[in-house]
Amino acid sequence: GENVEQHPSTLSVQEGDSAVIKCTYSDSASNYFPWYKQELGKGPQLIIDIRSNVGEKKDQRIAVTLNKTAKHFSLHITETQPEDSAVYFCAASYQGAQKLVFGQGTRLTINP
Amino acid sequence: ETGVTQSPTHLIKTRGQQVTLRCSSQSGHNTVSWYQQALGQGPQFIFQYYREEENGRGNFPPRFSGLQFPNYSSELNVNALELDDSALYLCASSPSPSGSYEQYFGPGTRLTVT
Repeated sequence: GENVEQHPSTLSVQEGDSAVIKCTYSDSASNYFPWYKQELGKGPQLIIDIRSNVGEKKDQRIAVTLNKTAKHFSLHITETQPEDSAVYFCAASYQGAQKLVFGQGTRLTINP
Repeated sequence: ETGVTQSPTHLIKTRGQQVTLRCSSQSGHNTVSWYQQALGQGPQFIFQYYREEENGRGNFPPRFSGLQFPNYSSELNVNALELDDSALYLCASSPSPSGSYEQYFGPGTRLTVT
């Protein structure tokens, strides 16, 4: 079955700098890759997603890139702000599946 | 438009007891999936409900069961609770049972088994 590896497990950056979180997946059938942000005591919030027919997607300060050949996808956050501090999860799925398979999460801390 | 809601927020149960958790899906969504999130881990898929029937199941024993109602809301039932069942239980609603569609999560129910 699908396996998603996420790195790093913790990331600390200065406010205003960029943050990058990377994930790899194992199942070549996977074609949908969402990213979630989870704040303390809350459920995961979908922040951006990408499908396999697209190599990059951007939404304001957040971008996601996908390399299907290498089975890598990454989240890029630019001009980080204190409110970006949270745990971020990547996930993968495909059309015939029902479930999302999640990475282990990255705890992002933005230092003022 | 109402988002995904879950109840209760917190629950404390004793080993061996049974528990029922509830989820109301987002307006317009006909599919509900349940996930278990242990502390410090990513969510793990329990099962999905579509058209009031189980439509896929993860690696969880039969004592985890569910229901979906005509209004698409859902329940998760866990029998014979074990200490390892302590976790955050999340439901996610989606406009389709396909894995290629967005899933929107509720705030979760924190279950503690003592």
